[in-house]
Amino acid sequence: SAVISQKPSRDICQRGTSLTIQCQVDSQVTMMFWYRQQPGQSLTLIATANQGSEATYESGFVIDKFPISRPNLTFSTLTVSNMSPEDSSIYLCTVVEMNTEAFFGQGTRLTVV
Amino acid sequence: QQPVQSPQAVILREGEDAVINCSSSKALYSVHWYRQKHGEAPVFLMILLKGGEQKGHEKISASFNEKKQQSSLYLTASQLSYSGTYFCGTEIYRKIIFGKGTRLHILP
Repeated sequence: SAVISQKPSRDICQRGTSLTIQCQVDSQVTMMFWYRQQPGQSLTLIATANQGSEATYESGFVIDKFPISRPNLTFSTLTVSNMSPEDSSIYLCTVVEMNTEAFFGQGTRLTVV
Repeated sequence: QQPVQSPQAVILREGEDAVINCSSSKALYSVHWYRQKHGEAPVFLMILLKGGEQKGHEKISASFNEKKQQSSLYLTASQLSYSGTYFCGTEIYRKIIFGKGTRLHILP
């Protein structure tokens, strides 16, 4: 199993600014994933954070808007850049190991005003 | 490709049964099921792997038809605590794509 610490747990930000979300895992993991969950919606995969290489982004998400760092096997950050009210969502850091469940951080509830 | 869940919403009385379905247009490596309550992170219920292996909670049952690329989650003798939104997720190389969810509401 994996225990994920994600921070901040919530934030209220002004439009046009950026927020960096941190994700710390208690064990080394190969792949980490970042999801977005808009109000009342499902979890949408933003990108896969790979250690030692650039993140892999899903359709509709770009590096300039959501830059990701993965400096080692236990840590990753997601930055939400140049925020607008449409970026108001819950952002979830996730770890999935082979043939087992996904482990989620507690999420970052972002409100852009 | 996002898996398709049905129904979108279910209202049950306590003690009744429900089935939630999940289908994919792509070949599946494994299927995950999660329940999420408002304001909380999703909670793991079950994973079904190719070849028939299943891992999950004892009181939850599910099926996985690899040929039809479908999975179903069976909730029997529902309890009030079963309320929430259920998501299926299709996994390929650890990347999980979630369906839109099924909202389940249990009435006393």
